[in-house]
Amino acid sequence: KNEVEQSPQNLTAQEGEFITINCSYSVGISALHWLQQHPGGGIVSLFMLSSGKKKHGRLIATINIQEKHSSLHITASHPRDSAVYICAVKGVDYQLIWGAGTKLIIKP
Amino acid sequence: DVKVTQSSRYLVKRTGEKVFLECVQDMDHENMFWYRQDPGLGLRLIYFSYDVKMKEKGDIPEGYSVSREKKERFSLILESASTNQTSMYLCASRWTPYNEQFFGPGTRLTVL
Repeated sequence: KNEVEQSPQNLTAQEGEFITINCSYSVGISALHWLQQHPGGGIVSLFMLSSGKKKHGRLIATINIQEKHSSLHITASHPRDSAVYICAVKGVDYQLIWGAGTKLIIKP
Repeated sequence: DVKVTQSSRYLVKRTGEKVFLECVQDMDHENMFWYRQDPGLGLRLIYFSYDVKMKEKGDIPEGYSVSREKKERFSLILESASTNQTSMYLCASRWTPYNEQFFGPGTRLTVL
């Protein structure tokens, strides 16, 4: 079993829909990252969080340390949000353990 | 803005060739990383470096070596490229283990 599991693997939605991507992990962590990768390869960090909730524009990330679970939400989704969203946890040795990614497609 | 650059976006090599992938960062970051990314597997750490001339094996170092002679530059070397090394290679850097990683644009390597 992978130490970091993301669901769903693939998600297709209509423009305007509320999107939720989930990340569960099984190891002790010091922080959790959400990253975005657009076609073409470049990866951009969206959030780094260790508790509670963070918001940036239409993106919201939450984490529940007790349940070892995090969610990334996108409100009022737009085709430009189409990308692969990656969850990564920073273990107690400060190395990152990566999820396999969720491929999101938003149709106009 | 932090900038991490990689020497090539696309590279095609033949089996048995020696391949050099270069990564340069301009923010005086201590730590640098090389990952490969394959569909369905996520990012896998090949090698990382905490400082100049230091290197540590990641999860999949076999078939690869690295060099960090200067702080800003971290090179990944495929001594004898094989078809199973066809992949997307991503370089990243950060100041310290407490900071986030910044990624380069990636190099898509095809080994024929």
